[in-house]
Amino acid sequence: EAGVAQSPRYKIIEKRQSVAFWCNPISGHATLYWYQQILGQGPKLLIQFQNNGVVDDSQLPKDRFSAERLKGVDSTLKIQPAKLEDSAVYLCASREQGAKGTQYFGPGTRLTVL
Amino acid sequence: AQTVTQSQPEMSVQEAETVTLSCTYDTSESNYYLFWYKQPPSRQMILVIRQEAYKQQNATENRFSVNFQKAAKSFSLKISDSQLGDTAMYFCALHAGNNRKLIWGLGTSLAVNP
Repeated sequence: EAGVAQSPRYKIIEKRQSVAFWCNPISGHATLYWYQQILGQGPKLLIQFQNNGVVDDSQLPKDRFSAERLKGVDSTLKIQPAKLEDSAVYLCASREQGAKGTQYFGPGTRLTVL
Repeated sequence: AQTVTQSQPEMSVQEAETVTLSCTYDTSESNYYLFWYKQPPSRQMILVIRQEAYKQQNATENRFSVNFQKAAKSFSLKISDSQLGDTAMYFCALHAGNNRKLIWGLGTSLAVNP
């Protein structure tokens, strides 16, 4: 079974530029999560989708971050414009419906904002 | 409120020895799940082990086992025969009730020394 796929793996941009990350969850997983993890900290949930609907986006900085999950499969997370403090690893995870909480993670995208 | 506490920011162990990482949690839910995730320097989050609260038997996965003390709300991870590849950040996480999201501890950085 293929795992969660993410791209790109690394991205370096200048502040005020835009960037987009892509995630393809494990086939059949209804729930998809985007996390931001700053070095030395635990993951912070940005947004949670159930199929193509948003369940929780309470910690998503909506003035600059946006996310969508069209057709309830893959998802994109966008930052526009980026700030220095957005430098982090962005993790995508997915979970099977009724799977007792277990989330499976992709390899992450490491973003550096200069 | 649901919380997860990891009181050991850093630990080290000699190769082939045994180490125990501590985790305590708090929830008012009766139905919950506990997880240990490992995050090596590559930053990918990898599921190590999962425990269902209604199961009295401690979960085991090869060299990894947990000591689940429900009354004390304690969930420690024991790594036997430590290997260099076990060097990583270890996160304890809680999934409770219908919350659908994980509550994360701050992590324990484990170094396995040759």
